[in-house]
Amino acid sequence: NAGVTQTPKFRVLKTGQSMTLLCAQDMNHEYMYWYRQDPGMGLRLIHYSVGEGTTAKGEVPDGYNVSRLKKQNFLLGLESAAPSQTSVYFCASSYGDGGGAQYFGPGTRLLVL
Amino acid sequence: RKEVEQDPGPFNVPEGATVAFNCTYSNSASQSFFWYRQDCRKEPKLLMSVYSSGNEDGRFTAQLNRASQYISLLIRDSKLSDSATYLCVVSLSGGSYIPTFGRGTSLIVHP
Repeated sequence: NAGVTQTPKFRVLKTGQSMTLLCAQDMNHEYMYWYRQDPGMGLRLIHYSVGEGTTAKGEVPDGYNVSRLKKQNFLLGLESAAPSQTSVYFCASSYGDGGGAQYFGPGTRLLVL
Repeated sequence: RKEVEQDPGPFNVPEGATVAFNCTYSNSASQSFFWYRQDCRKEPKLLMSVYSSGNEDGRFTAQLNRASQYISLLIRDSKLSDSATYLCVVSLSGGSYIPTFGRGTSLIVHP
């Protein structure tokens, strides 16, 4: 099993460009999450999904959109990238509700110039 | 008050030392507790769950104190490879509750 994978690993964008980050998990998990991690800020939840076809906002959703068309995939979109979105993005998944342990992908490093 | 608070450290200890971290949480209804380890520029990885009666995994011991609303992580016989950031995670259970992460405690083990 690959666990949780993320694509791409690293990306440089110019302000105003758009991109999509892909997260895939092969553990048949119901819940999936997108976090960003910035120095001194810890992990902050952007959006999450409690099952195929569902999404919900987290702590810092502005500037991002998500989709969960298939259970194993969770996409994070940036429609118009801003320098403030320079960060490391982690995807995670878990078996069930918030009481379950999360498994993280290796992260995507995004630099917005 | 933040929902989950940790001393950011760094805790700087020699090899072989015993070190303990605490993590306090504000929601008394919290039911699930975890410790994660995060190495520099890597993803967080589950270290251990924390059970009500306390639990041990090798050199690592986790405790839960519901009355004072904190969890702890004790590392015995520290190794250089234990150097990392330790994140505590607190969650309600049932429904769509989302885990809340602390900002992490940095541990540096030196020779």
